Amino acid sequence: GQQLNQSPQSMFIQEGEDVSMNCTSSSIFNTWLWYKQDPGEGPVLLIALYKAGELTSNGRLTAQFGITRKDSFLNISASIPSDVGIYFCAGQPNTGNQFYFGTGTSLTVIP
Amino acid sequence: SAVISQKPSRDICQRGTSLTIQCQVDSQVTMMFWYRQQPGQSLTLIATANQGSEATYESGFVIDKFPISRPNLTFSTLTVSNMSPEDSSIYLCSVAKSTNAYEQYFGPGTRLTVT
Repeated sequence: GQQLNQSPQSMFIQEGEDVSMNCTSSSIFNTWLWYKQDPGEGPVLLIALYKAGELTSNGRLTAQFGITRKDSFLNISASIPSDVGIYFCAGQPNTGNQFYFGTGTSLTVIP
Repeated sequence: SAVISQKPSRDICQRGTSLTIQCQVDSQVTMMFWYRQQPGQSLTLIATANQGSEATYESGFVIDKFPISRPNLTFSTLTVSNMSPEDSSIYLCSVAKSTNAYEQYFGPGTRLTVT
């Protein structure tokens, strides 16, 4: 399958700080999705991106579809303790309906 | 979005046995998928469940090991056959309402432990 690399692998930040993470692939993708997963639960969809260069917000979260179509970025502003979890990117290539998931970024927010 | 339930939520099984996991959606959906998530890892797509025809499997996954059914637009099952400890994992069902699967929504997962 496709390889999607996320960085950083983990982050420890103080409450109130902003967070940035990214996802890169070796192939071009048509759609990018960002998910958050809490322990013992399924991933929850945060943001969907459909066009190169697109910038989309969902509350304190902002995600961008990279111009090259090989990357995507997620920013969280003014982090709070409930932001703790693992964030996954997922990309859909030109061919097929399947999505491939990134390696994940684990976020810890210190109150 | 969609409300997705999975049964069982968790199970402990003996090696050599099989377990069937059910996925139920509260509304008709076009696409249904099955993923595996090993402890501390990302999600790996097992197969796309096709209504009325055989599932489409990803590389490394075969029908004999992971038979899938999808009798209608709201229900699918995944069977993990002849289990070994390496099959211990979380199995997740996801759905998409469009044929292009632009937005996928996940069930809560089934945590499987094989002893």
